[in-house]
Amino acid sequence: EAGVAQSPRYKIIEKRQSVAFWCNPISGHATLYWYQQILGQGPKLLIQFQNNGVVDDSQLPKDRFSAERLKGVDSTLKIQPAKLEDSAVYLCASSLRAGVEAFFGQGTRLTVV
Amino acid sequence: GENVEQHPSTLSVQEGDSAVIKCTYSDSASNYFPWYKQELGKRPQLIIDIRSNVGEKKDQRIAVTLNKTAKHFSLHITETQPEDSAVYFCASPKAWAGSYQLTFGKGTKLSVIP
Repeated sequence: EAGVAQSPRYKIIEKRQSVAFWCNPISGHATLYWYQQILGQGPKLLIQFQNNGVVDDSQLPKDRFSAERLKGVDSTLKIQPAKLEDSAVYLCASSLRAGVEAFFGQGTRLTVV
Repeated sequence: GENVEQHPSTLSVQEGDSAVIKCTYSDSASNYFPWYKQELGKRPQLIIDIRSNVGEKKDQRIAVTLNKTAKHFSLHITETQPEDSAVYFCASPKAWAGSYQLTFGKGTKLSVIP
């Protein structure tokens, strides 16, 4: 079974630039999560999709972050403009349905300089 | 407040000893309790999980216990080995908008000293 795919693996940008991350979940998984993991901390949920609808985006800084999941499969997360404090690993995860085992991608390590 | 609280934040044990990490949760409707292991620079991976209809689950050297009354669940690792050194996260689903979101604890850095 193919796992959750994410790209790119690494990204370095200057502050105020924009960046986009891509995620392809496990086939058939209805729920998709984007987490932000700052070094030394646990994953923090940014947004959760159920198919192509948003279940929860209460912790997404909507002035600079946006995410979409067109057709209920792939998802993109965008940051515009980036700030230094956005430096983190952005993890995508998927599960068959909400509240059960989540499978993580390898993440995208973002460094904002 | 936090949906999931995890303790301790760091734990050092001698090889061969046992390690116990505890999490408390707030949503009494939670019914699924996973534990993830994250090695340095890698993705979190599920190592064991438990559902609310059982009190304990074992898988070789790893076990999870659940106390629904007290709203806490614990990870137990016996006969620890150096390769057990990693950060461990508990998680619990929190009811939200007719669905569940999987929220994580802040993690426990386990160091197994040879």
